[in-house]
This record gives sequence, structure tokens and C-alpha cells, in this order.
Amino acid sequence: EPEVTQTPSHQVTQMGQEVILRCVPISNHLYFYWYRQILGQKVEFLVSFYNNEISEKSEIFDDQFSVERPDGSNFTLKIRSTKLEDSAMYFCASSRDRGFYEQYFGPGTRLTVT
Amino acid sequence: AQTVTQSQPEMSVQEAETVTLSCTYDTSENNYYLFWYKQPPSRQMILVIRQEAYKQQNATENRFSVNFQKAAKSFSLKISDSQLGDTAMYFCAFMNLGAQKLVFGQGTRLTINP
Repeated sequence: EPEVTQTPSHQVTQMGQEVILRCVPISNHLYFYWYRQILGQKVEFLVSFYNNEISEKSEIFDDQFSVERPDGSNFTLKIRSTKLEDSAMYFCASSRDRGFYEQYFGPGTRLTVT
Repeated sequence: AQTVTQSQPEMSVQEAETVTLSCTYDTSENNYYLFWYKQPPSRQMILVIRQEAYKQQNATENRFSVNFQKAAKSFSLKISDSQLGDTAMYFCAFMNLGAQKLVFGQGTRLTINP
């Protein structure tokens, strides 16, 4: 069964550094998402992406964040200048369509900012 | 803004028992979607069951069923004949009609004991 994959599984970076988290969504899916979960808190929506542009974003997704689909398979989340509070588990997801369609989640990337 | 609350941080039952996980949500919308996702230890989140708010009939998927009480804004998950493989974190989630983001509850850690 097709799965969403994410790399790396764990990334450690220093405050102020740029990080890129990578995801390979399921190949025939059209919608792509990033969520994050700070330790002990709820899973929070960051952004959704469709037709090569952001279709919805949360207030968390400020100018420090960007997303890109650089080729036909990868979907990336870039954090330009990491802060301590960006430490979290980041989940990528994809779906065939929006709304009632199932979002398929990746295993997550644990980002630790020191 | 919509919120989702899961009041049971942890639950534990014996194999073959029936267990019910609670979820309440807050919204002023009339049409929306509700989901239960399961995250087994060290694995990705997967969809267990979903419900469209305009449908009065409760959704069922094999051993999993929901009790959807729209007026009370309650969406509980019942697992019948629980199995060891049901051990996981369970997340209740809400989505507005026409939206793309899932709004998650805090999660309930369910342990099935042999």
C-alpha cells in the first residue's frame, strides 16, 4: 500500500539555522499538508498546498516558513531561521482531494532546535 | 475557532472488552466532518472512521463505530472486541465543510492488555 514518507526522521539544528524537511506524498494525490506537534500539545495545522500554491495556512505559518514542491514527487517545508520554539514533530500528509477525503500521514520528522 | 476536546488522556482495558473514547467539539457551523485517527507506537497516523455531520446514521467500520450526537457536539468512538493491535494513541479531529485543515484533540492513549 502506498505510504507518505518523510526524511530525516530526526534533525538537530542550532537556533538561527535554516532547515528543510522533506516529504514524498502518495503519487496520485493532489493536496499536501504540513502539521506539527509540540511535545505534550495538540497536533496543529500549518499549511495546505494545491496546484503549486498555498491554499490554506494557519497563523503559525509566518514568513519564517515556506513550502515548495520542487519536482513531481517531493514536498518540502523550510524554516528560514529556527527558534527554540520550533522544536516539534512535523507531519506531512497528502490526500486525493480535499474535505471528506482521507489525509494520509507520514511518520514525522522530529526537529530539535538547540 | 473550532476546538476539539478529548477528556481522557489515557485508558486501559483487557483484550476482548469494549471501550469507548470520548470527544467533544465546539463549532457554530452546521455542516462539517469528524474523524478518528489512530497512531500506533512508532508508526504513522491512520484514519479509523469518519462521519459527515449531515448524516444522522452513525458510521461503522467493522469493530469500530461512533456515537454522533450533533446537538451535544459529541463524537465518541466505540471499539468492540478490542485487540492487542488496537493499542495506540487515538485522535479525534474536526474539519469544516470546504476546508482542508484538520483540527485535532489532545489524543487518548489506549492500551489493550492481554
